[in-house]
Amino acid sequence: GAVVSQHPSWVICKSGTSVKIECRSLDFQATTMFWYRQFPKQSLMLMATSNEGSKATYEQGVEKDKFLINHASLTLSTLTVTSAHPEDSSFYICSAAPGTSGSDTQYFGPGTRLTVL
Amino acid sequence: DAKTTQPPSMDCAEGRAANLPCNHSTISGNEYVYWYRQIHSQGPQYIIHGLKNNETNEMASLIITEDRKSSTLILPHATLRDTAVYYCIGGLYNQGGKLIFGQGTELSVKP
Repeated sequence: GAVVSQHPSWVICKSGTSVKIECRSLDFQATTMFWYRQFPKQSLMLMATSNEGSKATYEQGVEKDKFLINHASLTLSTLTVTSAHPEDSSFYICSAAPGTSGSDTQYFGPGTRLTVL
Repeated sequence: DAKTTQPPSMDCAEGRAANLPCNHSTISGNEYVYWYRQIHSQGPQYIIHGLKNNETNEMASLIITEDRKSSTLILPHATLRDTAVYYCIGGLYNQGGKLIFGQGTELSVKP
């Protein structure tokens, strides 16, 4: 149990285009999901907390207009990188916790590798 | 969230126990200690968590000192597939579980 999936697993796009990444909890419902970004040889950096039915909460320094988060249902959150540039190339990872309060162990998706040309 | 300190790297012989230390001297009373690992180019994998008592599951054991300022993750019989970066994280169990990752320990299991 507690499986989180991401789609796509990798994507290559041209500079200036937008890319949408999906995060799904396959066997549980998640009121709260989290989005992380990881650059090569670095640790995971929390970008934002995605709340079902309400606005996401962004960490300091993360541009909310550039990284659009939508948590439309209890099993799906999406991250859209708008007007992507090469510096947005990174490994994007989501996580989710079972339960309606998010007060349980987080499980992570396999990640999406974004390359912006 | 509690700041954690881990050695940047460790080696372990295959079949031997791997003991990964973590200092979390600023951890608060209601913060759990979580351990995750990340194998190259994959999402982090949950290993174990605890509050005060020692914990054991099918993957590992977690030993937390009485003052809760440090803990040790024990992989009892390390295999080559346990080569990964191991993260020790202090997190709030009851507030949405926001986890802040440090640099972790890169464990290399060698034949």
